[in-house]
Amino acid sequence: QQQVKQSPQSLIVQKGGISIINCAYENTAFDYFPWYQQFPGKGPALLIAIRPDVSEKKEGRFTISFNKSAKQFSLHIMDSQPGDSATYFCAASIKNNDMRFGAGTRLTVKP
Amino acid sequence: NAGVTQTPKFRILKIGQSMTLQCTQDMNHNYMYWYRQDPGMGLKLIYYSVGAGITDKGEVPNGYNVSRSTTEDFPLRLELAAPSQTSVYFCASSYSRTGGDTQYFGPGTRLTVL
Repeated sequence: QQQVKQSPQSLIVQKGGISIINCAYENTAFDYFPWYQQFPGKGPALLIAIRPDVSEKKEGRFTISFNKSAKQFSLHIMDSQPGDSATYFCAASIKNNDMRFGAGTRLTVKP
Repeated sequence: NAGVTQTPKFRILKIGQSMTLQCTQDMNHNYMYWYRQDPGMGLKLIYYSVGAGITDKGEVPNGYNVSRSTTEDFPLRLELAAPSQTSVYFCASSYSRTGGDTQYFGPGTRLTVL
């Protein structure tokens, strides 16, 4: 049973474009929604995270949009760069409980 | 700080063999985790520990064992390796386990069971 569904599996974007990755969750008790970035051969690293009491969080070129009623959240990468090429994972967790990860999106930014 | 370190980086096992994946963190974190990452499946939690001497099962614990004798080390033991355990294994740590605390991941161990 996959509690966090992520799409698309892969994404190709031109340099300077906007990359959008979507996630949907089932458990309304989730209260923390991070995004992790993983480069080949490396472990995942926290990129940005949001709590359900806000609808948007922005850090530089990265923005999380959160829709509590639809149980969806998304990562937007503005002005995408080749250095952003990586696999991105959304996740969700409940306080003091396991973190559940999406299946990942492989982003390729073409120069 | 080295952060979270894992050894070995790669390993090939034969069916039925056993091995221990090593994980060490130097951030004085109380919480440590073991995940496996399968293609197209994201990361799944195998075991976690809230401190020395305390461990608990995650989502996919079967076929694995852990121990936590010190704050720094959290080894993962595979007994009777099976092809289904072919995966990339990540160790992670965090200061606490309350929602919102960053988990720091090691570089991973790629294990193949033939």
